[in-house]
Order: sequence, then structure tokens, then C-alpha cells
Amino acid sequence: QSVLTQPPSASGTPGQRVTISCSGSSSNIGSNTVNWYQQLPGTAPKLLIYSNNQRPSGVPDRFSGSKSGTSASLAISGLQSEDEADYYCAAWDDSLNGSWVFGGGTKLTVL
Amino acid sequence: EVQLVESGGGLVQPGRSLRLSCAASGFTFDDYAMHWVRQAPGKGLEWVSGISWNSGSIGYADSVKGRFTISRDNAKNSLYLQMNSLRAEDTALYYCAKGFTMVRDAPFDYWGQGTLVTVSS
Repeated sequence: QSVLTQPPSASGTPGQRVTISCSGSSSNIGSNTVNWYQQLPGTAPKLLIYSNNQRPSGVPDRFSGSKSGTSASLAISGLQSEDEADYYCAAWDDSLNGSWVFGGGTKLTVL
Repeated sequence: EVQLVESGGGLVQPGRSLRLSCAASGFTFDDYAMHWVRQAPGKGLEWVSGISWNSGSIGYADSVKGRFTISRDNAKNSLYLQMNSLRAEDTALYYCAKGFTMVRDAPFDYWGQGTLVTVSS
């Protein structure tokens, strides 16, 4: 059972806009920024969005992030076949000595 | 180019120990926090442990606390994970990940390709 809650799956057709949600609590998303990772099949995760809505260099602006209260969302517009991957949200959790917590991951299928 | 290369994984019996290593290059190693993140077969990501730039701040997931020890050698640009009292549920691909800054609460911006640890009799 992951600390952050994501839907296990999402899907869309090429060109569509899809969103993936991530729900947490006051000790993680409620008090810290959210980051998103993309994991293509058979590869290591890659940082996609950091600090709620910032894109690292090289990440297309089709990817965007937002946060409100204890929830966050990843939006992908102009969906492409190469976007088919697993997506994970992550946030620092202030409880105890501090730790990183992840969502369970969302498998995105491009139909 | 940032490179993180993990090693030390393998098949180990329950209760035994294993030491993972991560060789870093392409950046100033002692300017950044480092982490271990694992992924069980077919499962999601789980943060295991993190260490600040100067080893002054260290943290562990509850699932490994008291059994695993993270360390780093800045002179050798290397990160380590000593894993003791291994259990079947520790079976996973273990990734080394670089922090965005020198402290543990910054996100991970680069990941290695992982080293597989299998705990089985």
C-alpha cells in the first residue's frame, strides 16, 4: 500500500489530453512539492516534473504538473505513442526523520 | 554526462548479507545527496535510503531500518548500501539516484540502471 495514491491505469488516443492524479496528506504533498517520474518499459525512471510544475531541460512542454492542497496532477497534452509508460508521483514526507514517498504508479496506455 | 553504475547485486540466501556499490561520474559527487530506490519485480518504486552530501543526514525507510546501512566515500565518488539480514521481500532492482541538491529532501534527477538483488534459498 503506497503512501501516495494514484490510479493504476489511464489511457488515451494520440493527440488527446490525459491527466493522472496523485493524492497524499498534510505531511507530504500538503507541505512539500511534488515530483513526477516517467518509466518507459525496461528502463530506469526519469525525472519528468519537479517542484510541482517545473520541467527539467529536454522535457517537452506537453507535460505539465500542478498541485492543490494535498493532491497533485500530471497532465499530458498532444498524447504520443512514445508516452506509453509508467508514471510515478513522489514527495518528501516530514513525518519522523523524513523520508521520500511514492505513489503506486499509473500505467498509461496510448490506444 | 552524469553516469551512475550500480554493482554488487546477485542471488543471496535469506538472513545473509550483501553490499551494493554505485560508481558516480560526470558531476561533483560531494556536492549532492544520494539515494537508493528499489523496485520489486512488477511493482512500483520504493525509496530505501538517502544520505546528504557530507553524510551528516541519513534516513531509511521503515522496511529496512536497522538492517541496511547507507554510506558514501566522496574521495572515491562512490555510494554504498550494506544490506544485512536479507529477506525474500527485499528482492528487487536497486537503483542509485542522484539528488538535485546536497540535502536529502531534494528530488532525484539522475538514476542508474539498477542492480538486481534476489533473496531466495
